[in-house]
Amino acid sequence: DQQVKQNSPSLSVQEGRISILNCDYTNSMFDYFLWYKKYPAEGPTFLISISSIKDKNEDGRFTVFLNKSAKHLSLHIVPSQPGDSAVYFCAASTFNAGGTSYGKLTFGQGTILTVHP
Amino acid sequence: DARVTQTPRHKVTEMGQEVTMRCQPILGHNTVFWYRQTMMQGLELLAYFRNRAPLDDSGMPKDRFSAEMPDATLATLKIQPSEPRDSAVYFCASGYREDRNQPQHFGDGTRLSIL
Repeated sequence: DQQVKQNSPSLSVQEGRISILNCDYTNSMFDYFLWYKKYPAEGPTFLISISSIKDKNEDGRFTVFLNKSAKHLSLHIVPSQPGDSAVYFCAASTFNAGGTSYGKLTFGQGTILTVHP
Repeated sequence: DARVTQTPRHKVTEMGQEVTMRCQPILGHNTVFWYRQTMMQGLELLAYFRNRAPLDDSGMPKDRFSAEMPDATLATLKIQPSEPRDSAVYFCASGYREDRNQPQHFGDGTRLSIL
């Protein structure tokens, strides 16, 4: 049972345009969401996060939107740059649940973003 | 920048051999996670530790896998005996439990190939 889903395996965007990566989740206990970026032969690196008490968080060119009722979040990259080409992973956690689940991340399958010059 | 260090970066060995992967978490981090990445399963959590104590290893095949933290600067993941289906990239990550705003930091992984 996949609790975090990224239904688009890949996305291709022209440089300067907006990239929108989507993520859906099924577990209503998730209260903290993160996006990681991964280049080949490297570990995932943290990009941006959002708590369930917010619906938007912005950091430079990156904005994450959370729609709790739809159990959906999205990452917007504006403007997209060729250096943004990587695999993007959505992850979710249950910080408020406490106990042994605190801090555990459940990842989506990833979306390969290619930004063309 | 502080980094999570994993060794070895690559390991090729024959089926049946013991494999040990090592991880040095970021100094001051009190939680350590082991993940496995495969094409089929994506990134899946194998085990995690808090203050060196194992908290959850439900994602790990217990008959052949074991995870330990001999001290605060070293986490190990062992596979004995190894099988071809264990071929994957294994990532270690560390974090600080008390600060939810501080995300997990990942190492660059150990790429394991079992022949």
